[in-house]
Amino acid sequence: EAGVTQSPTHLIKTRGQQATLRCSPISGHTSVYWYQQALGLGLQFLLWYDEGEERNRGNFPPRFSGRQFPNYSSELNVNALELEDSALYLCASSFGGQGTEAFFGQGTRLTVV
Amino acid sequence: AQSVTQLDSQVPVFEEAPVELRCNYSSSVSVYLFWYVQYPNQGLQLLLKYLSGSTLVKGINGFEAEFNKSQTSFHLRKPSVHISDTAEYFCAVKSGYSTLTFGKGTMLLVSP
Repeated sequence: EAGVTQSPTHLIKTRGQQATLRCSPISGHTSVYWYQQALGLGLQFLLWYDEGEERNRGNFPPRFSGRQFPNYSSELNVNALELEDSALYLCASSFGGQGTEAFFGQGTRLTVV
Repeated sequence: AQSVTQLDSQVPVFEEAPVELRCNYSSSVSVYLFWYVQYPNQGLQLLLKYLSGSTLVKGINGFEAEFNKSQTSFHLRKPSVHISDTAEYFCAVKSGYSTLTFGKGTMLLVSP
């Protein structure tokens, strides 16, 4: 069974550009979570989608946005990129919001230059 | 609101020695507790979880953790570590219909 897959694995963008990151959850999982892991800052919760709806949002500016598609895959968009957006972005999925554990993808390494 | 505190940012230990990584949580409701491991440039892998029942839970790679409700702790232990256990370890808490809240992580450094 395929795990959580994220694409691309690496992404290099210029300050001010937009980045789009993609996540495919494990088959049957309806919840997708996005986390940012910047150097020295641990795992910061970004967004949570369940059944196509945004359920919760972390303390990030509106230029971080996303959506969940009918097949439960998800997209994270970061507009007007800043240097400090450089980080590993991790996606996880679970069986709905009541799911007892989340499974993580390998992440997308975003570098803003 | 829920939160997790990992008291040690780094834990150096010699190979074959025992180790304990500390985790304390706060939540106003019943919780699920998790430990994840992250190897360099990789995602997070679930080590073990506490959902209910026995307070001593066993995970992969010889790790175990004990849930202590009165002390709101969920410390991770291994009786004898290997070089390959060098990684970052994250404690996480979840309650009901919510997201996972992570601690800041503990870097376990195993040396020969």
